Amino acid sequence: DAKTTQPNSMESNEEEPVHLPCNHSTISGTDYIHWYRQLPSQGPEYVIHGLTSNVNNRMASLAIAEDRKSSTLILHRATLRDAAVYYCILRTQGGSEKLVFGKGTKLTVNP
Amino acid sequence: EPEVTQTPSHQVTQMGQEVILRCVPISNHLYFYWYRQILGQKVEFLVSFYNNEISEKSEIFDDQFSVERPDGSNFTLKIRSTKLEDSAMYFCASREPGNSNQPQHFGDGTRLSIL
Repeated sequence: DAKTTQPNSMESNEEEPVHLPCNHSTISGTDYIHWYRQLPSQGPEYVIHGLTSNVNNRMASLAIAEDRKSSTLILHRATLRDAAVYYCILRTQGGSEKLVFGKGTKLTVNP
Repeated sequence: EPEVTQTPSHQVTQMGQEVILRCVPISNHLYFYWYRQILGQKVEFLVSFYNNEISEKSEIFDDQFSVERPDGSNFTLKIRSTKLEDSAMYFCASREPGNSNQPQHFGDGTRLSIL
């Protein structure tokens, strides 16, 4: 599985935007970039995914670099409920079903 | 919004005993998974299940583990003879039909404590 690198932790203030980076320099052409998050005492939760173009949904936006070697998950206005561990995961189209979780980025949101 | 439900939320079992963890996936989903997370560690894949058979399993999923879909709604994980190191959160997940990039939906887990 292609490797991703994320900061161990980040901090934000409530109602401010948050940009969570992910490096994936060995990404291949058929790898999709997925983001999941895990709130305290809960199971992982899907956030967003994309291949080449930037993506938006009700939870977040995903900005993908032109060379696809990095991406950024954007939370437009952080709330206390967004405090979680965020995981950037590469998935190969037609490949393994398993999700390979790293350590992720622990996001703290200050009131 | 439909969700994956897991029971029990907490299971305490003596070492060497059998345990069955239960999951009710989202109703129209056809792909099912078990993951585990030892306290303070990463979420680890155990097994994927489709069309009434295991499609992929990890090295963790040895002969002590088995999965079953006994009816149209439940998906179970059985550990035949539990060990202390089986203590962990166990998460069930499911996804709808389609390509593998469909998101996996997770339950809130069963905390398994082996004494």
